[in-house]
Amino acid sequence: GAVVSQHPSRVICKSGTSVKIECRSLDFQATTMFWYRQFPKQSLMLMATSNEGSKATYEQGVEKDKFLINHASLTLSTLTVTSAHPEDSSFYICSARGSSGGKGETQYFGPGTRLLVL
Amino acid sequence: GESVGLHLPTLSVQEGDNSIINCAYSNSASDYFIWYKQESGKGPQFIIDIRSNMDKRQGQRVTVLLNKTVKHLSLQIAATQPGDSAVYFCADVGSARQLTFGSGTQLTVLP
Repeated sequence: GAVVSQHPSRVICKSGTSVKIECRSLDFQATTMFWYRQFPKQSLMLMATSNEGSKATYEQGVEKDKFLINHASLTLSTLTVTSAHPEDSSFYICSARGSSGGKGETQYFGPGTRLLVL
Repeated sequence: GESVGLHLPTLSVQEGDNSIINCAYSNSASDYFIWYKQESGKGPQFIIDIRSNMDKRQGQRVTVLLNKTVKHLSLQIAATQPGDSAVYFCADVGSARQLTFGSGTQLTVLP
């Protein structure tokens, strides 16, 4: 399967600071990347969808000014949690999807980033 | 709204037995389905997929069955091993080409 990486794998920050999470597709060009949030014992909840070179589309209830997404290239998307608060503590997972071929439909997921806001 | 749901939140099986994880979906327009495995603290891992024009697909030790009449999907794992212990999610892809995840089933393999 395709390889998607995330960095950092875990981060602890103080309340009010901003945190940037990177998501990279390592062996294919990801025209679309997705950001999910997952709380303990729950399923993945889609936060936003981003297409390379376009503004991200946010799901209802997700603040676009708080969760800044940039998809500047076909292999990199970043999620910045601005002015983080303890309630933002969660497991953030990105996924990437190619444009065509064998990887065209399948989303491949990164390993996730554990964010803890103190 | 449309959703993908699972029948059982937890499943325990003896090592070596077969496991069957079920999933019900409600979006009749969904044409592509995927099973993911998620181990603790990790991202979901692709297991197997199936398109709506098929009713069965086999992989290595895994089989996915699709019954479009009753909108039901199942994942069968043969000779379940301790390494199979994880949460399993089904997901469907509808016309918007976005994944909709079910709530997940925790599979525990007993020694």
